[in-house]
Amino acid sequence: QQQVKQSPQSLIVQKGGISIINCAYENTAFDYFPWYQQFPGKGPALLIAIRPDVSEKKEGRFTISFNKSAKQFSLHIMDSQPGDSATYFCAASSGGYNKLIFGAGTRLAVHP
Amino acid sequence: NAGVTQTPKFQVLKTGQSMTLQCAQDMNHEYMSWYRQDPGMGLRLIHYSVGAGITDQGEVPNGYNVSRSTTEDFPLRLLSAAPSQTSVYFCASSYDSSTQPQHFGDGTRLSIL
Repeated sequence: QQQVKQSPQSLIVQKGGISIINCAYENTAFDYFPWYQQFPGKGPALLIAIRPDVSEKKEGRFTISFNKSAKQFSLHIMDSQPGDSATYFCAASSGGYNKLIFGAGTRLAVHP
Repeated sequence: NAGVTQTPKFQVLKTGQSMTLQCAQDMNHEYMSWYRQDPGMGLRLIHYSVGAGITDQGEVPNGYNVSRSTTEDFPLRLLSAAPSQTSVYFCASSYDSSTQPQHFGDGTRLSIL
């Protein structure tokens, strides 16, 4: 049973558009919600993360929106670029930054 | 700093063979972990270690063995490989488990025939 459900599986966006990836979780003990970006042949790299005491966090073109009552969080990529084409994973953990539970991943393709 | 180094990058095994996947980090990180990545399932935690001499099981530990004799190295052993262990394996490390996020290596792609 997947504790963190991610959608969509794949996403195609035009250059300059907004990419939106959603995740939902069940375990209310989760207190750390990161997003990882992975390019082919590479390991996941931390992109941005949020804790449940805030509803939104923005870093450059990347924003996490967090809805504690709905147990959902999402990644928004503004002004999407071809270089953003990668697989994105949401994750969650409780009591620290490690022992992460990952979503299934979203393959994003940004077309020029 | 080389970061997290995993060797080999690719390996093909036959069912029943044994193998050790190597992971080394030069950042003096106490926390190290192993994940496997399978299509449609994201990454799942196999084993982790909070310091030399201390290891514990993650979400999917069966069929894998680990030890942590030094701070730098955290090898993952497959004692008798099975086709279900075909996967991409990632090692990760962090300074500790509560103050800093993990850095991932570039993975070992393992195929078991």
